[in-house]
Amino acid sequence: GAVVSQHPSRVICKSGTSVKIECRSLDFQATTMFWYRQFPKQSLMLMATSNEGSKATYEQGVEKDKFLINHASLTLSTLTVTSAHPEDSSFYICSARELTNYGYTFGSGTRLTVV
Amino acid sequence: EDKVVQSPLSLVVHEGDTVTLNCSYEVTNFRSLLWYKQEKKAPTFLFMLTSSGIEKKSGRLSSILDKKELFSILNITATQTGDSAVYLCAVLLGGYNKLIFGAGTRLAVHP
Repeated sequence: GAVVSQHPSRVICKSGTSVKIECRSLDFQATTMFWYRQFPKQSLMLMATSNEGSKATYEQGVEKDKFLINHASLTLSTLTVTSAHPEDSSFYICSARELTNYGYTFGSGTRLTVV
Repeated sequence: EDKVVQSPLSLVVHEGDTVTLNCSYEVTNFRSLLWYKQEKKAPTFLFMLTSSGIEKKSGRLSSILDKKELFSILNITATQTGDSAVYLCAVLLGGYNKLIFGAGTRLAVHP
């Protein structure tokens, strides 16, 4: 089945630094990928829709200058958390849809801790 | 505002029990409803429901959608401890193909 690889799985960074998270679709092309954020014991909140070759579409309340999304190819989307602060600590998950499959496939997630 | 509401938020049962998880939605451009199981990391896909009244089954799990009442249920029969997880309901919206998630139901199955 369709697989989405997300890296890194866990990252700890200092406040003020930037962190890049990669999301790759394996064995299929994804023109659209989605980035979610999940706080402990809460559901997934859609942050933005990443479109290959064009600008990402951000959900209301999500700062596009803080959460930079780049979808440079049909198999790779990256989320960069710029100038990270402790309140950015969260679980970030990407997903992509493989058109011949049902549903959306999720990456394994990245747990970001900003200290 | 599009919203997906799940109930109960948490549930504790014993092995062998049958559980029913609920999901209601209010969205402007409904395409499909999806159920996911989330244990420790990424959600894993369970069902995708597009048509009303057609039950989907996978082993001890089954689900059905009522598009008139804007409601879906997920049933798990003869629960096992391995069923302990958070079950997420999501609605796929048309147009931008966005998934809007409910808060999830945290199921704990005790031996």
